Amino acid sequence: DTGVSQNPRHKITKRGQNVTFRCDPISEHNRLYWYRQTLGQGPEFLTYFQNEAQLEKSRLLSDRFSAERPKGSFSTLEIQRTEQGDSAMYLCASSLAGNSNQPQHFGDGTRLSIL
Amino acid sequence: GQNIDQPTEMTATEGAIVQINCTYQTSGFNGLFWYQQHAGEAPTFLSYNVLDGLEEKGRFSSFLSRSKGYSYLLLKELQMKDSASYLCAVKGNTPLVFGKGTRLSVIA
Repeated sequence: DTGVSQNPRHKITKRGQNVTFRCDPISEHNRLYWYRQTLGQGPEFLTYFQNEAQLEKSRLLSDRFSAERPKGSFSTLEIQRTEQGDSAMYLCASSLAGNSNQPQHFGDGTRLSIL
Repeated sequence: GQNIDQPTEMTATEGAIVQINCTYQTSGFNGLFWYQQHAGEAPTFLSYNVLDGLEEKGRFSSFLSRSKGYSYLLLKELQMKDSASYLCAVKGNTPLVFGKGTRLSVIA
């Protein structure tokens, strides 16, 4: 049983560069979520997809952030012109659609450090 | 607005029982989740409550009172490996909203 997979695990880049992260959800899960987590905080919702449709984006999400899920399977999260404040753990989760009791299953995250 | 409150840190002794409280104010309510997160690892699902009352799952139990906007996670027979952050998350009319988490330290 393969869980949620995220790549890379770590990314260090200079301010102003673009970065892209990938998430492969659990294969039968049609919902995919992106979160950001900083030290001492809980995960903060960024956006989510049902199949290939992006259904919701956080109002806090800068337009430097974009996410895609072109074929309803893996997803990518791109951050353009990175800033120091973008340093965080970026978590991906997936779940089945349907009842609210479907738990989200998380990947190990991509830790982004902006120099 | 949406607000979830949990204690920041707790310490308990191996073999003991600990209760981690969570209070919430959200737009709508469609269930409350508890997750465990070890340092540097992914959150893992522990429990789900949508109706008032206690849900028991092995050493872990979770309680919900919707009228009070209150939940707790009860951990029995504490083990050293239970040292982790415990996240309360509420599903309202929007995707999950997480609290800041409670960092539990289990000491010998």
